[in-house]
Amino acid sequence: KQEVTQIPAALSVPEGENLVLNCSFTDSAIYNLQWFRQDPGKGLTSLLLIQSSQREQTSGRLNASLDKSSGRSTLYIAASQPGDSATYLCAVGTTNTGNQFYFGTGTSLTVIP
Amino acid sequence: ETGVTQTPRHLVMGMTNKKSLKCEQHLGHNAMYWYKQSAKKPLELMFVYSLEERVENNSVPSRFSPECPNSSHLFLHLHTLQPEDSALYLCASSLRLEPGLLNEQFFGPGTRLTVL
Repeated sequence: KQEVTQIPAALSVPEGENLVLNCSFTDSAIYNLQWFRQDPGKGLTSLLLIQSSQREQTSGRLNASLDKSSGRSTLYIAASQPGDSATYLCAVGTTNTGNQFYFGTGTSLTVIP
Repeated sequence: ETGVTQTPRHLVMGMTNKKSLKCEQHLGHNAMYWYKQSAKKPLELMFVYSLEERVENNSVPSRFSPECPNSSHLFLHLHTLQPEDSALYLCASSLRLEPGLLNEQFFGPGTRLTVL
């Protein structure tokens, strides 16, 4: 069974700092990986989707990379802002298990003004 | 604003009640999903529907009963729930179910369920 781990569980940084969130997975037979943000009490907002054939995706201040062979993805946030404060989740779609998406438990980010 | 809506946003029910959660997507997608999110645990996929046909049922107790009358609507019928079923229930949709770019998932805001 695919296991997805996100480290750290919580992160607090001053405004303006660049930061990296990590996601690791145990089964490298994935077909895509998706990063989400979740604000307290709300649903998930899709940030970036990386196909298994891709190495990275960029959207504004966000850049996500994927290294399938090592079972890792990183989400890079440039010039962090207080509005970036949220929980960030990664999810992997795994080839061997049909229509399953496996989620990590998330990294709770606080950006201090 | 997401193209996936869920009602109600909050629900408190007793263990003997029967209630239903509703999800509607306005994105023209063909696949819809129910997830359960409990505190400190990863999201758990409960059910998957593709073109109104159920394709996944991840060993979910029978007290949860899904219904997908058309590709835009998804229901989760609840009866005789337990306190440990209290959680955030999230609905999602994707354009297609097949692996790849077309199954990027879009989520609704969720229903916060409390079972007394």
